[in-house]
Amino acid sequence: GAVVSQHPSWVICKSGTSVKIECRSLDFQATTMFWYRQFPKQSLMLMATSNEGSKATYEQGVEKDKFLINHASLTLSTLTVTSAHPEDSSFYICSASRGVAQQAGETQYFGPGTRLLVL
Amino acid sequence: DAKTTQPPSMDCAEGRAANLPCNHSTISGNEYVYWYRQIHSQGPQYIIHGLKNNETNEMASLIITEDRKSSTLILPHATLRDTAVYYCIVRVRGSGTYKYIFGTGTRLKVLA
Repeated sequence: GAVVSQHPSWVICKSGTSVKIECRSLDFQATTMFWYRQFPKQSLMLMATSNEGSKATYEQGVEKDKFLINHASLTLSTLTVTSAHPEDSSFYICSASRGVAQQAGETQYFGPGTRLLVL
Repeated sequence: DAKTTQPPSMDCAEGRAANLPCNHSTISGNEYVYWYRQIHSQGPQYIIHGLKNNETNEMASLIITEDRKSSTLILPHATLRDTAVYYCIVRVRGSGTYKYIFGTGTRLKVLA
């Protein structure tokens, strides 16, 4: 159990276009989902936290108008990179928690990641 | 900032136990310690988590010191497929929720 999928697994796009990445919890309902970004040879950086039915909370320095997050259902969250530029090329990873993230011992389960290359 | 510190790299011979340490001296009383690993170009994989008692599952064992300021992840019989970056995480309180802040992790290389 606790499987998280992402689609697409990789995407190449032209500069200026928008790209949507989907994150799905396949066998559980995810009250909270998280989006991370990882550059080569670096650790994961949290971008934002999203709770189903409410606005996402963005980390400091992450542009909310550029990285649009929608968590419309308990099994799906989407990240849209708007007007992508080469510096947005990165590995984007989502995770999901079964229950409320405030609970002690609540575990995040990660998707396989989406590699974005902006030309 | 991450609430944990780990050595940047370790080597381990195949078939031997890999012991990965982690310091989390500021951990609060009810927060768990989580361990994940990331194999190249994949999402992090959950390994184990614990509060204060030692934990064991099919993948690993977690030993937490009595004062909870440090822990050790033990892979009892390391294989080449265990080569990965291992992250020790203590959640950080954010705006209305708890979140993971990843540190640099330990790059474990299992040698044949």
